[in-house]
Order: sequence, then structure tokens, then C-alpha cells
Amino acid sequence: GAVVSQHPSWVICKSGTSVKIECRSLDFQATTMFWYRQFPKQSLMLMATSNEGSKATYEQGVEKDKFLINHASLTLSTLTVTSAHPEDSSFYICSAGGYGYTFGSGTRLTVV
Amino acid sequence: EDQVTQSPEALRLQEGESSSLNCSYTVSGLRGLFWYRQDPGKGPEFLFTLYSAGEEKEKERLKATLTKKESFLHITAPKPEDSATYLCAVQGAETSYDKVIFGPGTSLSVIP
Repeated sequence: GAVVSQHPSWVICKSGTSVKIECRSLDFQATTMFWYRQFPKQSLMLMATSNEGSKATYEQGVEKDKFLINHASLTLSTLTVTSAHPEDSSFYICSAGGYGYTFGSGTRLTVV
Repeated sequence: EDQVTQSPEALRLQEGESSSLNCSYTVSGLRGLFWYRQDPGKGPEFLFTLYSAGEEKEKERLKATLTKKESFLHITAPKPEDSATYLCAVQGAETSYDKVIFGPGTSLSVIP
């Protein structure tokens, strides 16, 4: 079945630094990938839709200059959290595919 | 605006005690309704997709049903390993292709 690999699983970074999260589709090509953010005991909130070869589409209220998305190939999308602050600490999850989306295992980001 | 609500917020069951989780939705033209299971610190795991009222799908102890306004996830004789958060999501005809809206989830605990 379709597999989406997400790395790293967790990361701790200092305030003001940038962090890159990778999302790869291992056995299929994904022209579209999605990035979600999840706070404790809350549901997934879509941040942006990543489109291969074009600019990402951001949801209302998501700062595109802070959350940089690059989808340079049909199997890889990256999310870079720039100038991270403690309030950016969260669980970030990517997904890909058509109906019955496949999700990555998530990345726990802690900004100290 | 597409909306998804889930009830109850949390549910504790004794092992073997069957029950149902509810997902109510408001969407302009349902393209698909999805059920996922999410374990703590993990990405959602796909369970079912339902497309039209009256449709039912089963997988082991789980059965999902769909009406024009809601979906139920029936759990028969649950086991402790069924403990997880169950997420419902919908895709409406007016949303961009592949984009889904998630409900808040139901946290299920099955006590031995």
C-alpha cells in the first residue's frame, strides 16, 4: 500500500533558528501533498497544500513566509519553519494521495 | 462552510462493551467521508471511505455507516488495543480537489 515517510520524528531547536521537515511518498508519486498542524488533544488543522512544481496554497491565517513549503519532485515535499518561536511548538503531519489519504508519522517540534 | 462535529468527545468502554461514535457533517455536496484512527504521537491511520448515503463498510470489529447528515462508527466487542482517537473527515464538492475537513475526534478508551 501507499507509504508516506516523514522525518524527523521529533526535533528540538532554539528560538530563532529554522527547522526543515521532510515528507516523502515512498511507493507512489504525489503531485499534491498536505501539511497539517495538531495541538494537544485537538484535531488536524490544514496549513497548506503543496503542489509539485508550483507554489503552495496556504490556508487563511497561516504565514507563508514563516512556513516555507517546497515540493520540488513528485515524491518529496518539505516544510521549513523559519525563525521558530516557542508558539510554533506543535505536531506537524503531512499527507499525500487521493481518496483514503496516507499520512506520515508526524514530527513533534519543540522550540526552546 | 463545510463543518464536521464528532460526539462524544471521549468514551470509556469495558472490554466487550459495544458502542457507536457519531460524526455529523454539513457540506455542499459530499464527495467522500473518511474515518481515521490516530494513536498518540502518530499520524492518522486510514480506516474507511464512504461516498453515499446507505453505504456501509466493515473491518474487523469496526463498521462505518453513512446517512445524508451523519456517519456512525460502530465498535463491536472492543478490545484494549482499539483504544485511540477516531477522526472523521469530509470532502465537499466545493472544496479544492483532495482537501478534507477534519472533525475534533473521539478519544476512545477500552478498559480490560
